Formats: sequence, structure tokens, C-alpha cells
Amino acid sequence: DGGITQSPKYLFRKEGQNVTLSCEQNLNHDAMYWYRQDPGQGLRLIYYSQIVNDFQKGDIAEGYSVSREKKESFPLTVTSAQKNPTAFYLCASSYREPDTQYFGPGTRLTVL
Amino acid sequence: KQEVTQIPAALSVPEGENLVLNCSFTDSAIYNLQWFRQDPGKGLTSLLLIQSSQREQTSGRLNASLDKSSGRSTLYIAASQPGDSATYLCAAPTDSWGKLQFGAGTQVVVTP
Repeated sequence: DGGITQSPKYLFRKEGQNVTLSCEQNLNHDAMYWYRQDPGQGLRLIYYSQIVNDFQKGDIAEGYSVSREKKESFPLTVTSAQKNPTAFYLCASSYREPDTQYFGPGTRLTVL
Repeated sequence: KQEVTQIPAALSVPEGENLVLNCSFTDSAIYNLQWFRQDPGKGLTSLLLIQSSQREQTSGRLNASLDKSSGRSTLYIAASQPGDSATYLCAAPTDSWGKLQFGAGTQVVVTP
């Protein structure tokens, strides 16, 4: 089945730790995106990538980092510099031109 | 910068009534407008995408209209069912590469 997978589903982080969220897609999409969702708010774009080995900052990139070494994978690292990382993180992908974005099931990150 | 607004934030209707969900955007030069559904704790599911050249798009009981001149899109759900209870989000690309600007969503409850 084609789709987007995210792991883990739940993640707990201690203060000062870096954690990495996984996002994999087998839809052969060029573009991939990371969003953050907080309660009662819409999604906010963290980073996006249009092609392998290239990515751009979104609206709230501070405290996050990404890599795009393979077309299928776009991992997100939440660093200790992110002051308020507790949120629901969603990964999405699409073809290069503005087209339907397909979302993964999300990762809920909680800082202890 | 594109801004997307959804009013009301929450809506409750009895089963069988038609649902009307509103989405407003500030930049009429949009490439398309997308409607998504989100169930609690889940990722987003794409419902409809309306291209800028279209006035409406239909899928089953769902119909979405687009009026670029007034900066509005409306999602109609006919004969609502309890299974339609979810949060509905609209989003518009902010550039030619598909970066999406999301509204905060409308939480819908359909009561039996």
C-alpha cells in the first residue's frame, strides 16, 4: 500500500535532549513537509523539501533541523534549543507542483 | 502573506441536516484550495482540492465551492451523519511549490 508512515506514534523527551522523528513515503513524491499542530490551532510549517539534498525553512524553523538524503525519507530533529516542543507533529508529501498533500498519522511529542 | 480564516470554530448539528463550512483567504491569486478532515489524534485526510480555474468540486456527499473574487470557499456536506463528526480544515498554497497556509479549523459534531 502506498502512503506515509511516521514513527514513533508517541515520544517522550527530557529537557535538554535532542529527538528525531521519522517520516517515510512510498508515493514517489518529490516534495515533503513537516508541520506542527498545537491545540486549537491550525498547522504551522516547520521545514519543507522540494527535492533530495535541498530543504527550506518554514514559518517556525527555530530549534528544528531536517535532512533529505533520500527521496523517500525526511526526518525531523527537535533540538534542545526548541523552547516549547510539546506538540503534535505531522509529515506530508506531494508532487512538486501545488497538488494534494498527503499526511502521515502524526507523532505526539511530550517533554517531561 | 496569505491568511486563511475559518468561522465558526465549532458547530453542532442534528443528524440529517446539511453542513456548511466556511473558509476565507486574503490573497485571491491562489493556485488551489484544499479541504481536509482530521479525526482526534490522527493525521489529515484530503477531502477535496479545487483548482483556481474551477468554481466547484464534488465527491459523494461533499461539495466545495471557490469564489476567488470574494476570497471565500465553502464546503457543503449533505445529509450529515454522526460519522462526519471531525475537525475540518481548509488550506491554500502560499507559493508555486505548494507551501500551505492552514485555517484553524471548524470542529463539527453531528448528534444522532
